[in-house]
Amino acid sequence: EVQLVESGGGLVQPGRSLKLSCAASGFTFSNYGMHWIRQAPTKGLEWVASISPSGGSTYYRDSVKGRFTISRDNAKSTLYLQMDSLRSEDTATYYCATGRAGYPFAYWGQGTLVTVSS
Amino acid sequence: DIVMTQGALPNPVPSGESASITCQSSKSLLHSNGKTYLNWYLQRPGQSPQLLIYWMSTRASGVSDRFSGSGSGTDFTLKISSVEAEDVGVYYCQQFLEYPLTFGSGTKLEIK
Repeated sequence: EVQLVESGGGLVQPGRSLKLSCAASGFTFSNYGMHWIRQAPTKGLEWVASISPSGGSTYYRDSVKGRFTISRDNAKSTLYLQMDSLRSEDTATYYCATGRAGYPFAYWGQGTLVTVSS
Repeated sequence: DIVMTQGALPNPVPSGESASITCQSSKSLLHSNGKTYLNWYLQRPGQSPQLLIYWMSTRASGVSDRFSGSGSGTDFTLKISSVEAEDVGVYYCQQFLEYPLTFGSGTKLEIK
């Protein structure tokens, strides 16, 4: 059974950093692209970043480019999101997700809440 | 960026009735390989989203056959036949033809 467990969320001041983790199990992690998707309180879903199975290719939405870094450790079956220079508009529940061609978001974690506030 | 626009439902929908959710993309999602890069998700209250439909019309594993997806390159419909209490939540369409991957704003379904 595919399991994705996010951690690392919390309350952080504007301008500070936070690193999220997503521990994966139940599948061959190194064969799957991985993604971060966020949802601001009472709002819709917003794709944040993606990384290829090898980690050689990464993609970001414009609003986080240069501030967020997606990475992975295939030996540890773990996905990361390093978030720097955080802003109030980054406040959201962050989900990690995975899937295959045709369904990149087939499996979702339970999410971790990031609150950016002074 | 590809903009995804979703329609609203005439909530609440009576239990047992059908409901159709529309989604429109600002660019054709029909790839040269013949596949349409459009997926549907349901987010039940307090839960993570779940995949319902991929490649526009293929039901994901374990999804009830009451759910069906159809459409063209830019106009799509998710139909729920005979809605049930467990169908309550917000439905999202999403394109994965190109980055940035984008979602519709969501369509809420309430049951009467």
